[in-house]
Amino acid sequence: DADVTQTPRNRITKTGKRIMLECSQTKGHDRMYWYRQDPGLGLRLIYYSFDVKDINKGEISDGYSVSRQAQAKFSLSLESAIPNQTALYFCATSDRYEQYFGPGTRLTVT
Amino acid sequence: GENVEQHPSTLSVQEGDSAVIKCTYSDSASNYFPWYKQELGKGPQLIIDIRSNVGEKKDQRIAVTLNKTAKHFSLHITETQPEDSAVYFCAADDPGGGADGLTFGKGTHLIIQP
Repeated sequence: DADVTQTPRNRITKTGKRIMLECSQTKGHDRMYWYRQDPGLGLRLIYYSFDVKDINKGEISDGYSVSRQAQAKFSLSLESAIPNQTALYFCATSDRYEQYFGPGTRLTVT
Repeated sequence: GENVEQHPSTLSVQEGDSAVIKCTYSDSASNYFPWYKQELGKGPQLIIDIRSNVGEKKDQRIAVTLNKTAKHFSLHITETQPEDSAVYFCAADDPGGGADGLTFGKGTHLIIQP
């Protein structure tokens, strides 16, 4: 089984809708991250969490929120989706340096 | 915070030839430099990394070199094979940025021509 799973893998939603992307990991890591990938822009950090009680904003947190429900679960929410949030979203975990990525969620906002 | 520049954005090489991807970083306090490979439809996977107390590291056909003085590091792939075709990302840690995460370059699309 995969160490980092993301659901859904693909999602199409309409402008203004609330959507949640979920991430689960079985690696036992405390650190979890959400990244956004856009063509030509690489990976940009949205939010990160060092443990259940610690949530921090990354480079591009506006329009997003997160919830760390347990050590193994980290969710990303778009409160009111807009078209420029169309992107590939990755969750990652780490024990300090090496990051392990999930398979990604392709989100399209129409 | 850290800024990582990666070149080229696209690299096409003949199968069997070598490929070199270069990155520069801005924060002299950075000390961890990983390289990730992303295949179509998958998340990035670590292929090799280097820490600041080492100048070069090799793992079979791939190697990474680091020049701390010049603040640049490079990925070298020798005897390229079709399965090397992918997008490669360099990254650097960001000790001064507080995020304790990685700052990524924009990626290089490596194409291996048969």
